[in-house]
Amino acid sequence: AQSVTQLGSHVSVSEGALVLLRCNYSSSVPPYLFWYVQYPNQGLQLLLKYTTGATLVKGINGFEAEFKKSETSFHLTKPSAHMSDAAEYFCAVNPTSGTYKYIFGTGTRLKVLA
Amino acid sequence: DGGITQSPKYLFRKEGQNVTLSCEQNLNHDAMYWYRQDPGQGLRLIYYSQIVNDFQKGDIAEGYSVSREKKESFPLTVTSAQKNPTAFYLCASSITPSGRATDTQYFGPGTRLTVL
Repeated sequence: AQSVTQLGSHVSVSEGALVLLRCNYSSSVPPYLFWYVQYPNQGLQLLLKYTTGATLVKGINGFEAEFKKSETSFHLTKPSAHMSDAAEYFCAVNPTSGTYKYIFGTGTRLKVLA
Repeated sequence: DGGITQSPKYLFRKEGQNVTLSCEQNLNHDAMYWYRQDPGQGLRLIYYSQIVNDFQKGDIAEGYSVSREKKESFPLTVTSAQKNPTAFYLCASSITPSGRATDTQYFGPGTRLTVL
């Protein structure tokens, strides 16, 4: 069965520092990959997604992620953290065959320190 | 503006009562989904519907029921058979009936259900 692992349920960074949130998936066939952000008591908002083509994907709010097939990873980065980035981030995969149901990671809560 | 609405935002229920959560979308999407979110567990799929009058069980369907009589609406009923219903419930939709793997799922703002 496919799975998604987000390393680190809580990550703290200083304002202006690099943000790195890790996501690894297990799949014999590369799935489609998504990052979502969730602010407290709100729904999820799509940050970016990888389907095909360029492996470095740029999203909203200055975030980007790189698909690395050899490492089965799709880590999310932002060069300089802002206080408004504090939220929970979810990585999700969607298999390229079958019933096309999302599989979500357990989330990483990002804290930005002033 | 197009989007997904969920109501109510907060819901309190006594043990033994059924309760229905509303989900409406005006995005003209064919597929709709219900997820349950618990702290530290991510999102788990309860039910999904790819087209009107059809729906399938997800990973944790026991104690829940749904209907899809209209394209725009996908209400979720939490029945008294659900042993631990206190959670945050999220509704989502995506554009195509087949729910293609590339399709983005768009989420509503959620309903927080608390059983007293």
